[in-house]
Amino acid sequence: NAGVTQTPKFRILKIGQSMTLQCTQDMNHNYMYWYRQDPGMGLKLIYYSVGAGITDKGEVPNGYNVSRSTTEDFPLRLELAAPSQTSVYFCASSYPRAGGGEQFFGPGTRLTVL
Amino acid sequence: KQEVTQIPAALSVPEGENLVLNCSFTDSAIYNLQWFRQDPGKGLTSLLLIQSSQREQTSGRLNASLDKSSGRSTLYIAASQPGDSATYLCAVGGDAGNMLTFGGGTRLMVKP
Repeated sequence: NAGVTQTPKFRILKIGQSMTLQCTQDMNHNYMYWYRQDPGMGLKLIYYSVGAGITDKGEVPNGYNVSRSTTEDFPLRLELAAPSQTSVYFCASSYPRAGGGEQFFGPGTRLTVL
Repeated sequence: KQEVTQIPAALSVPEGENLVLNCSFTDSAIYNLQWFRQDPGKGLTSLLLIQSSQREQTSGRLNASLDKSSGRSTLYIAASQPGDSATYLCAVGGDAGNMLTFGGGTRLMVKP
């Protein structure tokens, strides 16, 4: 299993540009998440999904959109990039179990907005 | 709103020492607690997951404990090695969707 994969690894955007961060998992996990990590900080939840067709906002959703059309894929869309969105973005997935399942993380996408 | 704090923010120890990393959280109504390791410029690797009904979990030289009533967890690393140098993150799962709230991490340096 490849686990959780993310593309691209790095990206530089200009203010106002748009892009989609891709995330795919091959573990048949129902739950998927997007987090951002600012320098020297912990991670903050942007959006999450408990299954195909179901998404919900996390702690810091402004400026982002998501969709979940399949179990495997959970893309994150930035519509109008701003310098405040410079961060490292991590996608994660987990399986539903009583008490919560272990989360598995992708390698991250490092985004710079200039 | 759940808040997770990790102390210390950074720690430097000589090789071979046993050490304890601390994590505290404000809301004891948690589903689980997970400890992660993050190497510079890399993603997160899950170390241990403790369900809310459990008191501790062990994996090799690592032992994590959970005290829900006091809002605390500790990660114990025995006989530390230079390869243990990394940032250790604590995260609390708060509902059935298992959304995690992260602490700021402890940056560990083990000197040979």
